[in-house]
Amino acid sequence: EPEVTQTPSHQVTQMGQEVILRCVPISNHLYFYWYRQILGQKVEFLVSFYNNEISEKSEIFDDQFSVERPDGSNFTLKIRSTKLEDSAMYFCASSPLPTGSREKLFFGSGTQLSVL
Amino acid sequence: SQKIEQNSEALNIQEGKTATLTCNYTNYSPAYLQWYRQDPGRGPVFLLLIRENEKEKRKERLKVTFDTTLKQSLFHITASQPADSATYLCALDITGGGNKLTFGTGTQLKVEL
Repeated sequence: EPEVTQTPSHQVTQMGQEVILRCVPISNHLYFYWYRQILGQKVEFLVSFYNNEISEKSEIFDDQFSVERPDGSNFTLKIRSTKLEDSAMYFCASSPLPTGSREKLFFGSGTQLSVL
Repeated sequence: SQKIEQNSEALNIQEGKTATLTCNYTNYSPAYLQWYRQDPGRGPVFLLLIRENEKEKRKERLKVTFDTTLKQSLFHITASQPADSATYLCALDITGGGNKLTFGTGTQLKVEL
């Protein structure tokens, strides 16, 4: 069964450093998402992306965050200057249609980001 | 403000019993509601979707109900097994914009032998 893959599984960085989290969505999917989950808390929406543009973003997704689809297969989340509070599990997800079309999300296994 | 609430306390039940989990929401009228399963350190996995005009949906041992008057969904697992132990999340598109799924806090289920 096709799946969303994320790399790396763990990332440790120093505060103020830039990190790039990578995702390969399912190949025929058109809608891409990043969510995050701070330990013990709920899964929170960050951003959705379609047709090389951001569709929606949350208030968490400030100027320090950016997303990109650099080629036909990868989808990346960049955090320019990491803060301690960015420590979380980051999940990439994809779907063939938007969630408003009653479409489910397919999630990757996540990247655990630790900011020291 | 808009809220999605699930019972934050863990639910412990015996193997073979039916587990019932609750999802309540306020201040909006979603067109559908989804349920996901999340295992520790893993991403959520889709289980079921129920539309606003559906009262009940079943899939194998899973059953979901959706009461738009009460603004509540119930998620049932019948003949529960230890392998059903996980955190179960409900999710809705609360913006109506069609591209943002918002999750509840989840309820941890533990099925004991």
